[in-house]
Amino acid sequence: GIQVEQSPPDLILQEGANSTLRCNFSDSVNNLQWFHQNPWGQLINLFYIPSGTKQNGRLSATTVATERYSLLYISSSQTTDSGVYFCAVGDYGQNFVFGPGTRLSVLP
Amino acid sequence: GAGVSQSPRYKVAKRGQDVALRCDPISGHVSLFWYQQALGQGPEFLTYFQNEAQLDKSGLPSDRFFAERPEGSVSTLKIQRTQQEDSAVYLCASGTDYGYTFGSGTRLTVV
Repeated sequence: GIQVEQSPPDLILQEGANSTLRCNFSDSVNNLQWFHQNPWGQLINLFYIPSGTKQNGRLSATTVATERYSLLYISSSQTTDSGVYFCAVGDYGQNFVFGPGTRLSVLP
Repeated sequence: GAGVSQSPRYKVAKRGQDVALRCDPISGHVSLFWYQQALGQGPEFLTYFQNEAQLDKSGLPSDRFFAERPEGSVSTLKIQRTQQEDSAVYLCASGTDYGYTFGSGTRLTVV
């Protein structure tokens, strides 16, 4: 099955700093999503981005499907950005696989 | 409804007890997934439905786990004779080809 890797596994930032999270996947996909899991366990959908670039406020994401990677950018980080960021990929009608996640801690 | 609803939010079961976890997907969503998330881990796939058809159940860890979606909307995940290793958060997601939305999960603790 498809393999998903994420880096870095852990990241500690000072409030206001910028960061880039990476997701590599082993096969072509038609669905790629970035999620934020908050400290209460809720998975929040950040982006549906199987290709191209999207921006939403301080967050943006880019997927280069031909090279099988996606990047999540967080600018001017805030303490509320803390949590685990997951990349998940899949194909139509098939399993939707999660990466291991990046645990982000933003310090005040 | 506006989102994916799961119930109960928390469940404590004695070892050997049967449990049933419910998922109410977003109305009209064809796809429905169940995931198991152990503490400190990412969600692990259990099973996938397209309407009422269970297309993939390869992630179900044993024959004690059973899922159904008889009318293509509400789904139930049943775990028979629960064991301590079944303790986890069980997540349900529904969606279309343009992305999936997750419920808040059911935290199952087997004592």
